[in-house]
Amino acid sequence: GAVVSQHPSWVICKSGTSVKIECRSLDFQATTMFWYRQFPKQSLMLMATSNEGSKATYEQGVEKDKFLINHASLTLSTLTVTSAHPEDSSFYICSASPTSGQTWSYNEQFFGPGTRLTVL
Amino acid sequence: SQKIEQNSEALNIQEGKTATLTCNYTNYSPAYLQWYRQDPGRGPVFLLLIRENEKEKRKERLKVTFDTTLKQSLFHITASQPADSATYLCALNNAGNMLTFGGGTRLMVKP
Repeated sequence: GAVVSQHPSWVICKSGTSVKIECRSLDFQATTMFWYRQFPKQSLMLMATSNEGSKATYEQGVEKDKFLINHASLTLSTLTVTSAHPEDSSFYICSASPTSGQTWSYNEQFFGPGTRLTVL
Repeated sequence: SQKIEQNSEALNIQEGKTATLTCNYTNYSPAYLQWYRQDPGRGPVFLLLIRENEKEKRKERLKVTFDTTLKQSLFHITASQPADSATYLCALNNAGNMLTFGGGTRLMVKP
């Protein structure tokens, strides 16, 4: 149980194009999902917190118009990298926190397998 | 500012020995501390969560301690195996569920 999937697992795109990454909680409902970015040999850096049905909260230094987040249901959040540039190349990871009342603790986060984005 | 420090140098140990990883933090009063395992090119996998009022927690070959006075957590893997080789991340959160991660320590268990 507590499985989070991401799609695609890797993507290569040309500079200037937009890329959408999906994050799904497969066997639980998640009111809150998180998006992280990880550069090689570095730790995860939180980009934004997304709550179902409301606008995402972005961390300082993360451009909300560049990284569009939509959390339309309790099992799906999407991150769209708009007008991607080579410096956006990174490993993007989402996580989901179970809604209260389910098997798992509210404080647990379950991570997706990540999406490797390469912008040429 | 909040800071979470893990030994950035890789830890190399022999199979069968106990691996001990350290997580220190400053300017933070976390309600929970969590340990994750991350393999190359994969997302983190949750291992253990320990609360601020707990001193120790165990799960199979894993043991975590949490000293809020020293602001430190130790993560132990007993009877280590080559399959335990990975990067281990500690993460802290307060009463909410937003996590702040340390830089991770890479563990290499040699047969």
